[in-house]
Order: sequence, then C-alpha cells, then structure tokens
Amino acid sequence: DIVMTQSPDSLALSLGERATINCKSSQSVFYSDNNKNYLAWYQKKPGQPPKLLIYWASTRASGVPDRFSGTGSGTDFTLTISSLQAEDVAVYYCQQYYNSWTFGQGTKVEIK
Amino acid sequence: EVQLVQSGAEVKKPGESLRISCKGSGYGFTNYWIGWVRQVPGKGLEFMGIIFPGDSDTRYSPSFQGQVTISADTSINTAYLQWSSLKASDSAMYYCASSAYGSGAYLSYWGQGTLLTVSS
Repeated sequence: DIVMTQSPDSLALSLGERATINCKSSQSVFYSDNNKNYLAWYQKKPGQPPKLLIYWASTRASGVPDRFSGTGSGTDFTLTISSLQAEDVAVYYCQQYYNSWTFGQGTKVEIK
Repeated sequence: EVQLVQSGAEVKKPGESLRISCKGSGYGFTNYWIGWVRQVPGKGLEFMGIIFPGDSDTRYSPSFQGQVTISADTSINTAYLQWSSLKASDSAMYYCASSAYGSGAYLSYWGQGTLLTVSS
C-alpha cells in the first residue's frame, strides 16, 4: 500500500495568515499516460462528514473558496490556505487514489 | 442532487453481526465507486474498502481485508458494510462516499455517517 505522510500534525495560526500543509507519498502517484497526479485533499470538521476540497492535486472542487490551493507532483504535495478564516478550523487529509486509496494521518488547523 | 443516505446509529454486543447501508440517489449508482471510511473517536480517517457497483469489483485495505465485507445491491442503489462478529474495537463512525460525477476515483460525495457502538 502507498503510505501518505502529512506534516505538520497540527498548526495554530492567526486569522489572515497563510497555512501550509505538506503531504508525501511513499511512491509516486503521478500517471504519465494522462499527466495527472492521483491526489485529493479533504476537510473534516467535527460532527460533519469529510468534504472534498481538491482533486488531481490542484483542481478545486465545486464551491471551494479560492483561498484553498493545491500544488505538487509525484510524491510531494502541498495544500495552502492563503488567508486563514475562522471557518477553516478543521482537520485536513490528503488521499491518494492511484493504487487503491489511502489517507494521510491528518493535520489539525487551529486559530492562535 | 446527489445524496448518500446511511442507516442509523447502532448499539451492538461483541460477537454480534451487523450490516449497515448507504443508499445513493441523484446519479448513476452503477457507474461510480462507493467507498467506506472509518473514524475512531479522536483519530483520523481510515480507508476500509471500495466497490464499483456496476461489476462488483471490490477492493479492501489490507487492514480491513477479512474483517468486513462490502457489497452492493444495484436494484435498490444501496451499498453495504457488513461484520460477522463485532469487536469493541469496531466502535467508530463509518462514512460511505462516492466518486459520483468525478473524472477519477476521488470521493466527491459523502454520507452523513453511521455511529457504531459495540459494548457488552
């Protein structure tokens, strides 16, 4: 199985600051035939189901604010929240869907 | 509108069997993957397994292979997650999720979750 490792495990930032979450896969999730990275990001708030934020590593899902962006390729990926809002407090997970499906361990984002 | 509606909370005893369900609507149920994800209280999301209802292709995470059974009934657009003998450690929230209308197997839509409590 592909192992997904996120860093940091948690971060606390002030409102308006930039949040950066990293995700590393144990093997490449890039498929050269279609030039796509099989990597998604989800947001999980308490009492709610997870919500898809980003797919194909960098495509925002419908309705997701443009302060959320995804970058990276191969084995190294980043989710950035450009200006942290109160409603962004959540746990964020990366997930590969290249070979079966696996989640990272999650990164908790809090307001300082 | 795509909806995944899961069955209600369950309280069971160790050793009992259980099947929980996830009914899809608003999309072609047979054309997209449906997966199951576990979240133990205070812990992260764990992928359990996934099924493509159109041909019943089913894949399990190694951690859950042999521990649960995933199935689907296309006549009623419903996916299932089943245990034959529950353990206390199965207590968790279980989510189903679908790749409906996606261009790949990412999980676009999620059910509301089914809370399972296993206690003697």
